[in-house]
Amino acid sequence: RKEVEQDPGPFNVPEGATVAFNCTYSNSASQSFFWYRQDCRKEPKLLMSVYSSGNEDGRFTAQLNRASQYISLLIRDSKLSDSATYLCVVTKNGNAGKSTFGDGTTLTVKP
Amino acid sequence: NAGVTQTPKFQVLKTGQSMTLQCAQDMNHNSMYWYRQDPGMGLRLIYYSASEGTTDKGEVPNGYNVSRLNKREFSLRLESAAPSQTSVYFCASSDLVAFGAFFGQGTRLTVV
Repeated sequence: RKEVEQDPGPFNVPEGATVAFNCTYSNSASQSFFWYRQDCRKEPKLLMSVYSSGNEDGRFTAQLNRASQYISLLIRDSKLSDSATYLCVVTKNGNAGKSTFGDGTTLTVKP
Repeated sequence: NAGVTQTPKFQVLKTGQSMTLQCAQDMNHNSMYWYRQDPGMGLRLIYYSASEGTTDKGEVPNGYNVSRLNKREFSLRLESAAPSQTSVYFCASSDLVAFGAFFGQGTRLTVV
């Protein structure tokens, strides 16, 4: 079993739809959690950190469930520009070298 | 603000050749990383440097060496390139781990 698992998709949704991605992790010692966005043939860019209390940034909401060891990303009112691959990242014990990336979930938003 | 700058952006090597990928960051970050990304896969850590003067192996270090030249610069060297090292290489830096990392634009390396 991979340390960090994501549904690869692809998720194909119409503009304006709400879409949610989940990411599960296997190590209960994990401390920091992030969502990154990666456009085709580009570098990953930090989208948001994920906190125990949940956090929201505009149309994006991230949640952490430590008991079930998963994080989620909810995108409301999808835009064409949201089309990308979303990477889940889990870091253990605050150690710089212990970040594990998921393989990513691909989202395509269609007109 | 340049952020993280990698050079070169593209490179083709013959099997057995060597090369060094350069990375520099201007955000005064302590930690720097080298990742590789293969098609359809997530990023895998090659080496990292938690702070100036230290380097450590990541998940896939074989065939690579690194140098943390100073706080700004972290280079990755392939001593004898192999086709299995064909990949996209990303350099990244971070301040505190909890704040996430910032990535360079990547180096697309093909070994023939």
